[in-house]
Amino acid sequence: EIVLTQSPGTLSLSPGERATLSCRASQSVSSSYLVWYQQKPGQAPRLLSRATGIPDRFSVSGSGTDFTLTIDRLEPEDFAVYYCQLYGSSPPGLTFGGGTKVEI
Amino acid sequence: QVQLEESGPRLVKPLQTLSLTCTVSGGSISRGDYYWSWIRQPPGKGLEWIGYIYNSGVTYYNASLKSRVTLSVDMSKNQFSLKLNSVTAADTAVYYCARGEWDGMDVWGQGTTVTVSS
Repeated sequence: EIVLTQSPGTLSLSPGERATLSCRASQSVSSSYLVWYQQKPGQAPRLLSRATGIPDRFSVSGSGTDFTLTIDRLEPEDFAVYYCQLYGSSPPGLTFGGGTKVEI
Repeated sequence: QVQLEESGPRLVKPLQTLSLTCTVSGGSISRGDYYWSWIRQPPGKGLEWIGYIYNSGVTYYNASLKSRVTLSVDMSKNQFSLKLNSVTAADTAVYYCARGEWDGMDVWGQGTTVTVSS
């Protein structure tokens, strides 16, 4: 079973700053199957992808076991909890990281 | 535009069965290669995947819940359902249904809070 570990648990930043969120897998995974969600209080998670209309200030990178979500120039609406999630093919299933809270 | 909506009892007694249904609107559950998933979130905690089902009826479950979970799909009603038996207070959570593919779950229901209490 692959475990996803997100760090830090909480990131305290100001609007306009850059946020760097880490997601580490317990074994090498395909970057194609590693995705990120944003969740605001009282709302369902939102998939962070170009297809769902995320702004260009959000970018993802990484390979193997280390993946990063970067948010350039934080906007007030970016303060939320972010989760990484892996789509597993062998065995099939989904795994979530524990989340990183980006707070002001 | 596809939308999902969870429905079912908000209060379940310990050791009974939690039953939720997710109704799909704006699209057919029988089209495409999507999986239809259930995820839950205990109060103040992170997301936990419960399981997902394809329109073929093939299911995959979280190993930690597998012995208590059953997913089903009803294409005539454009719905899929979750049953979780022998519930305890630890099953109290917001339950979400979602549509997904290998590149993520792009459509989510708004979530429904289920409390396990006598």
